[in-house]
Amino acid sequence: DADVTQTPRNRITKTGKRIMLECSQTKGHDRMYWYRQDPGLGLRLIYYSFDVKDINKGEISDGYSVSRQAQAKFSLSLESAIPNQTALYFCATSDLGQVTGELFFGEGSRLTVL
Amino acid sequence: GQNIDQPTEMTATEGAIVQINCTYQTSGFNGLFWYQQHAGEAPTFLSYNVLDGLEEKGRFSSFLSRSKGYSYLLLKELQMKDSASYLCADMDSNYQLIWGAGTKLIIKP
Repeated sequence: DADVTQTPRNRITKTGKRIMLECSQTKGHDRMYWYRQDPGLGLRLIYYSFDVKDINKGEISDGYSVSRQAQAKFSLSLESAIPNQTALYFCATSDLGQVTGELFFGEGSRLTVL
Repeated sequence: GQNIDQPTEMTATEGAIVQINCTYQTSGFNGLFWYQQHAGEAPTFLSYNVLDGLEEKGRFSSFLSRSKGYSYLLLKELQMKDSASYLCADMDSNYQLIWGAGTKLIIKP
């Protein structure tokens, strides 16, 4: 089983619909992140959380919201999806105590907004 | 400002050596990362450099020059499975990663 699990893996939806992407991890890491990846662009940070009571906006948070339900769970919501939110979304975790700050990624959630 | 530049695509031959360059301009610096990403898969960590010099790890090595804002990833004895995108990322003063768009490496027999 993957240490960082994302659901759903693929989703097609229509403009205006509410979408939730879920992420759970068994690595025991405090830090969790949501990124989006678009062709020709680098990974861009949407939101991140350093612990259950900590939520921070990333580079491109507009149109998104998150919830850190527990240390192991971090959900990303699109309240009213629009076509330019079509992308590959990755959840990632890192360990506060790790010097390198290495990120561990989930397998990705491919979202298509029609 | 923050900017990461790396070539979009490179082609190399199986068994050969390839060097993928990355330049960065970041307000504050806390390390340079390389990740590998196979098509349709998640990125996986390859290396981390925070001091100048070369870090070797098997067939892969990573180099950093902080004064030049420059890094490279060196892949030796290329194998077909090395066909992937290689992502350069630097950690800024807020300990957040700033990512390049990635270099797609194509390995030919």
